[in-house]
Amino acid sequence: NAGVTQTPKFQVLKTGQSMTLQCAQDMNHEYMSWYRQDPGMGLRLIHYSVGAGITDQGEVPNGYNVSRSTTEDFPLRLLSAAPSQTSVYFCASRREGNTGELFFGEGSRLTVL
Amino acid sequence: LAKTTQPISMDSYEGQEVNITCSHNNIATNDYITWYQQFPSQGPRFIIQGYKTKVTNEVASLFIPADRKSSTLSLPRVSLSDTAVYYCLVGNTGTASKLTFGTGTRLQVTL
Repeated sequence: NAGVTQTPKFQVLKTGQSMTLQCAQDMNHEYMSWYRQDPGMGLRLIHYSVGAGITDQGEVPNGYNVSRSTTEDFPLRLLSAAPSQTSVYFCASRREGNTGELFFGEGSRLTVL
Repeated sequence: LAKTTQPISMDSYEGQEVNITCSHNNIATNDYITWYQQFPSQGPRFIIQGYKTKVTNEVASLFIPADRKSSTLSLPRVSLSDTAVYYCLVGNTGTASKLTFGTGTRLQVTL
């Protein structure tokens, strides 16, 4: 099992560009989420999904879109990148209804110039 | 969502036992307490979870007093490789979807 796979690992964008961070899990988890982590800070929840076709906003959703067309994939779209979106992004998954272990990807480091 | 408070940082020498306490005064009856560990440039990793009293696994113990308003993560005989940030989270099946991580406790282990 690969677990949670994120691509790309590194990306540099110019202000105003758009891009998609990919996240895939092979554990048949219903719950998936995206976090961002700024230097020296904790993780802040951007968007989450409790199953295919269902998404909801987290703590810091502005500037990001998500969709969940399959159980396996949960892409995060930056519509018009801004320097304030420079961060490390983590995708995570877990069985829904389970307060237990969140499985995280290795992270995607995004720099917006 | 229950608010949690942890020390910002802790220092320890290798071989010592480290106890990190988390305060969660407004914990709900059905909330669980979960701890994660994060190394630099990696995503957090689940360490342990508990509801009350004591839970132990191969890497840590979790102590929860009867009033559940705090919890203590105990790491026995730490090594340099335990240097990381440790996060305490509180939630239940209804709030687990929106769990966020605070700034955590940065543990520095030295020789």
